[in-house]
Amino acid sequence: QSALTQPASVSGSPGQSIIISCTGTSSDVGGYNYVSWYQQHPGKAPKLMIYDVNDRPSGVSNRFSGSKSGNTASLTISGLQAEDEADYYCCSYTTGSTRVFGGGTRLTVL
Amino acid sequence: EVQLVESGGGLVLAGGSLRLSCAASGFTFSTYSMNWVRQAPGKGLEWLSYIASSGTTYYTDSVKGRFTISRDNAKNSLYLQMNSLRDDDTAVYYCARDAFGGWSFDLWGRGTLLTVSS
Repeated sequence: QSALTQPASVSGSPGQSIIISCTGTSSDVGGYNYVSWYQQHPGKAPKLMIYDVNDRPSGVSNRFSGSKSGNTASLTISGLQAEDEADYYCCSYTTGSTRVFGGGTRLTVL
Repeated sequence: EVQLVESGGGLVLAGGSLRLSCAASGFTFSTYSMNWVRQAPGKGLEWLSYIASSGTTYYTDSVKGRFTISRDNAKNSLYLQMNSLRDDDTAVYYCARDAFGGWSFDLWGRGTLLTVSS
């Protein structure tokens, strides 16, 4: 049950697009289309942004999108806005019906 | 209002026990699978445990045998019994609802802080 691998930090200017990667194994990310992404602002609870690799919950901006290739999932945020500055976590369903999170990525909007 | 509210956190000595609770409201609790997730200070999220509406449970290796997840559908409540607590169990503990029929956490509580002191 090793954590998924995410970059520690990414940054971008307002209006730009960024991509956050999330690398696992064939036992988690690569084996199931059950990758989800969460946004967490300081001192707040996480918020679901993407589920089942590329689906958006109602109310989440279409600037957020997800994809997956092999053992790596990605979160793309387009048209960066100041309020997007937060920590982002990926999570995957795994064999044995457990879940595993990534280590988290801090997004800085320059 | 659809919400989850955790309680029961506090300061505990290493080796001690504590039970966390999560009160659900605004939705049919008995039909949803539920989870506990924690976050150590300044660290990332860690999934701990899952309980299905049927009562089936799963745990991450680091808490297996020490923590027990349970639910009382009549009280719309989720619990986490924690025994043999260690310093590294210090964290904010969140309860989180699985999306209906899915494997993502679509509803989170605000969390409750557990501090384990040696």
